[in-house]
Amino acid sequence: AQSVTQLDSQVPVFEEAPVELRCNYSSSVSVYLFWYVQYPNQGLQLLLKYLSGSTLVKGINGFEAEFNKSQTSFHLRKPSVHISDTAEYFCAVSVLSGGYNKLIFGAGTRLAVHP
Amino acid sequence: GAGVSQTPSNKVTEKGKYVELRCDPISGHTALYWYRQSLGQGPEFLIYFQGTGAADDSGLPNDRFFAVRPEGSVSTLKIQRTERGDSAVYLCASRTSSDEQFFGPGTRLTVL
Repeated sequence: AQSVTQLDSQVPVFEEAPVELRCNYSSSVSVYLFWYVQYPNQGLQLLLKYLSGSTLVKGINGFEAEFNKSQTSFHLRKPSVHISDTAEYFCAVSVLSGGYNKLIFGAGTRLAVHP
Repeated sequence: GAGVSQTPSNKVTEKGKYVELRCDPISGHTALYWYRQSLGQGPEFLIYFQGTGAADDSGLPNDRFFAVRPEGSVSTLKIQRTERGDSAVYLCASRTSSDEQFFGPGTRLTVL
């Protein structure tokens, strides 16, 4: 069975500091990987996705993630965070099964950016 | 509208009551998903529709939960005899042939 582990439930960081949110997945088949952001009282918004090709994926709002197949990881990074990046971040794996894709999410990481 | 919409945004009900949650997907999106997000957790898959049919309902927790999509567009998630443990945010997402799922803002269900 596929699963996603987000190793940190909360990450506090100061404004303009770099940040890394960790994500590991388990799957016996090829996967697509996603990072979503959820601002308070809002729906999930796609930050970036890895489908194939280059293992370094760039997304919106200055975020990027690197797919590491050997370590089954897909960590999210940003070199300099802003107050407005405070939100919940979810890593997800999409597995093709029966002709369609289903998302399996991690428990989320709450990023708190302090001035 | 441009995005996925869900109504109501909030629903408070009493234990044992019946509730319906509605999802309007993006026009033209044939695939539709329901997820449930409990407090402090990531969304969990409930059911997937391709067109009018439920292609995978393996995530529905029990037979009190049911969903329909009669015309291949709007979907309704129905919960009978609600329990306090059903309290969560229910998310709907739709997708085209690409892999990206577009999420609605969710319905926050509170069962008293």
